[in-house]
Amino acid sequence: KNEVEQSPQNLTAQEGEFITINCSYSVGISALHWLQQHPGGGIVSLFMLSSGKKKHGRLIATINIQEKHSSLHITASHPRDSAVYICAVYPFYFGTGTSLTVIP
Amino acid sequence: DTAVSQTPKYLVTQMGNDKSIKCEQNLGHDTMYWYKQDSKKFLKIMFSYNNKELIINETVPNRFSPKSPDKAHLNLHINSLELGDSAVYFCASSPDSNEQFFGPGTRLTVL
Repeated sequence: KNEVEQSPQNLTAQEGEFITINCSYSVGISALHWLQQHPGGGIVSLFMLSSGKKKHGRLIATINIQEKHSSLHITASHPRDSAVYICAVYPFYFGTGTSLTVIP
Repeated sequence: DTAVSQTPKYLVTQMGNDKSIKCEQNLGHDTMYWYKQDSKKFLKIMFSYNNKELIINETVPNRFSPKSPDKAHLNLHINSLELGDSAVYFCASSPDSNEQFFGPGTRLTVL
């Protein structure tokens, strides 16, 4: 069992839909990260969370430390959001990624 | 002004060859990492160096040897390449344990 589990593994949405990606972890953390990897490969850090909620544009990330669970939400999804989203506890633990495709 | 750079971006080679991937960061960070990403996009740490000293060495074949000539560089040398080494290799640097900056990745294909 992976120390960081993500769901769903694959997600297809219509443009404009609200999207949620979930991450559960079993290790102690000081921070959890959400990463974005576009086709073509580069990894970009979206959020670093140690508590509560953060928002950046249409992206919102939340974390519940007691439940060891985090969610990444995308509001009004757009085809350019199509990417793989990865949650991570540095440096050892990475989720298997959620491949998101947003259809126009 | 690239923060973390890797060369080459693509590397295609035959089984049995020896190859190197270079990584440089201009962020002034003390810690650098190498990660391997398999075909299912799963990232796994390989090595970490702090100020040129090896601090993390996960279960990686001896054919992989990291080298850090200075704290801005962490190169990865791979001997006797095997088909299973085909993957994308990411370098990253970090100012502390809570943040990482990734390089663009090197896609290695072993034929």
